Formats: sequence, C-alpha cells, structure tokens
Amino acid sequence: GQSLEQPSEVTAVEGAIVQINCTYQTSGFYGLSWYQQHDGGAPTFLSYNALDGLEETGRFSSFLSRSDSYGYLLLQELQMKDSASYFCAASGNTPLVFGKGTRLSVIA
Amino acid sequence: DAGITQSPRHKVTETGTPVTLRCHQTENHRYMYWYRQDPGHGLRLIHYSYGVKDTDKGEVSDGYSVSRSKTEDFLLTLESATSSQTSVYFCAISLVKDSSGGAWEQFFGPGTRLTVL
Repeated sequence: GQSLEQPSEVTAVEGAIVQINCTYQTSGFYGLSWYQQHDGGAPTFLSYNALDGLEETGRFSSFLSRSDSYGYLLLQELQMKDSASYFCAASGNTPLVFGKGTRLSVIA
Repeated sequence: DAGITQSPRHKVTETGTPVTLRCHQTENHRYMYWYRQDPGHGLRLIHYSYGVKDTDKGEVSDGYSVSRSKTEDFLLTLESATSSQTSVYFCAISLVKDSSGGAWEQFFGPGTRLTVL
C-alpha cells in the first residue's frame, strides 16, 4: 500500500518559521509534492521535489530525502494569510497519493 | 488557471437517488481525476481517466462510476446516493512533465459540495 504521514495541526507566530514534515511509503516513488488549501477553497500546487535536497520558491522551501523517505515544507516569514491546510503528496507508479493534511494556524 | 469547472457547485439530495457531477476542462488535458475530501481523511482518489473511454478505479471507488466520452468532460455518478457519500468532491487535471510519467502537479476545480439526506 501507499501512505503518507504528516502532523494534523501546527501553530506558529506571525513572522516566524515553521516546518511541516511528511514521511511516506510509496511503491515506485518518483517525487514529493506540496499543496496548500485555504478553508472553502481548492488545493493549489506549491512545490515538487524529485531529487534529494532543498527547493526554494520565495518564502516557501521544500526538502526531500529519498533514503529516509522523508520530506518537509518550510515556510518563512509567516503571514496571517499562510493559515491554511498543507498536504504532501507522493507520485509513483500509481496516481498521486495525498497525506491527510496539516492545518497551520498563524497567530499574532 | 487550467480552465476547470465543476457543476453543480452545491447539491442536496436524498438517499437512494442517482446523482451525476460534471467536470469540464477547456485545455485538452489527458489526465483527469475525481477526489472526495472529508475531515480527517484528506483527499482520496475515487476514479481517474487517462484518455477518452480510459478510466480506472482509485482508493474509494465503491458506489461510484465514471464516464469520459469526450476529452473535456469527466462525469462522476453516484448510482444510488448514501449518506456516507456526503462530501466535497474535487475534480483535477494533471500535467505529465517528464518521461517517467510523474504527474505531480495537479490543478483542481472549485469543488462540489454534496449533501445526501
């Protein structure tokens, strides 16, 4: 089977840095994606890692370690608008499999 | 914007009635997906399609059927709706970007909120 584990909730202070971890078990693993979803909205693509290491896109960075079956999403300079749910998703030899999501609350 | 629309956006129906949800895309993407999203479960794949008349089952396909007679439309049917099918349904398309077939970037429609009483 395929599964991804991520924390259900994270709270962080505005302006701080937060890391959302994701561990996966996926057959024929290609890479790890991250999606953001605001309440009442649709998921939107944030980033993708196919190779080990850090990918940076503005305030967001994503990391992958294939040997550890582990990745994380790093959000810097947190803003109130970053309050949302974040999903990791693994691509492999089957369609994309999503984790259950991490609800991030940014507080003042 | 991948030009994905879903209809209806909201629907309330009764147990035992048939329901069809429509996903329409305007950019000729090959891969289309139907997900349901429930609290505590994230996004779970119901069915997907990799071309006209080519569909396959996902993780939670029981009680659902799909059809894709045209590239632009992917229909999800609940033959006899049950209360357990109350959920938010998302359609998505993906862009296959490399030879490995990794389809990691998906674009989602706005969703359909279905309530089965």
